[in-house]
Amino acid sequence: DVKVTQSSRYLVKRTGEKVFLECVQDMDHENMFWYRQDPGLGLRLIYFSYDVKMKEKGDIPEGYSVSREKKERFSLILESASTNQTSMYLCASRLGVLEYEQYFGPGTRLTVT
Amino acid sequence: RKEVEQDPGPFNVPEGATVAFNCTYSNSASQSFFWYRQDCRKEPKLLMSVYSSGNEDGRFTAQLNRASQYISLLIRDSKLSDSATYLCVVPRLNPGRRALTFGSGTRLQVQP
Repeated sequence: DVKVTQSSRYLVKRTGEKVFLECVQDMDHENMFWYRQDPGLGLRLIYFSYDVKMKEKGDIPEGYSVSREKKERFSLILESASTNQTSMYLCASRLGVLEYEQYFGPGTRLTVT
Repeated sequence: RKEVEQDPGPFNVPEGATVAFNCTYSNSASQSFFWYRQDCRKEPKLLMSVYSSGNEDGRFTAQLNRASQYISLLIRDSKLSDSATYLCVVPRLNPGRRALTFGSGTRLQVQP
């Protein structure tokens, strides 16, 4: 069974703090993704990575950065958290380009106060 | 026009009913499509793929209408456990077809 884990289920941070969200997958997948999910807006892609040290911007990269130093780990960084970054953050991984099943982690509910 | 559009619902149906959702997509070059299911407070999971000939899996049938650019999901004999949000998904055509575009989902509530 593919397993995608995220470092926290719930996180509360203050405005201006630097926030790290960690994601780890155990199936040697090439592709990893970070989404945020908000009511009425669905899943929006923030960043994705198709190889170690490679990254591409998604639809809403502003205010975020990512790091992929090892194949199994993909980190999302909020450089200076703001209240409009309060959201559910979902990490996902997928084997390859033609393999469309994405496996999601359980999500991190981030609240920025 | 959004890449993927869905009616948010909710669709409230009694147990045993047949219910269908549609999803429209904007890029006529899209070749494959998917339905994901997301239970309340859980992560999305792949339900089924949709190819040109459609796809059937038990009580679930997914079909593609290329002329009108929509895909549909039909659920027969609804169960309480089918209550969830159903996400329509289309692979992006660039760059490199690596990312997926998710619709905002259609919520289904099956009533006893």
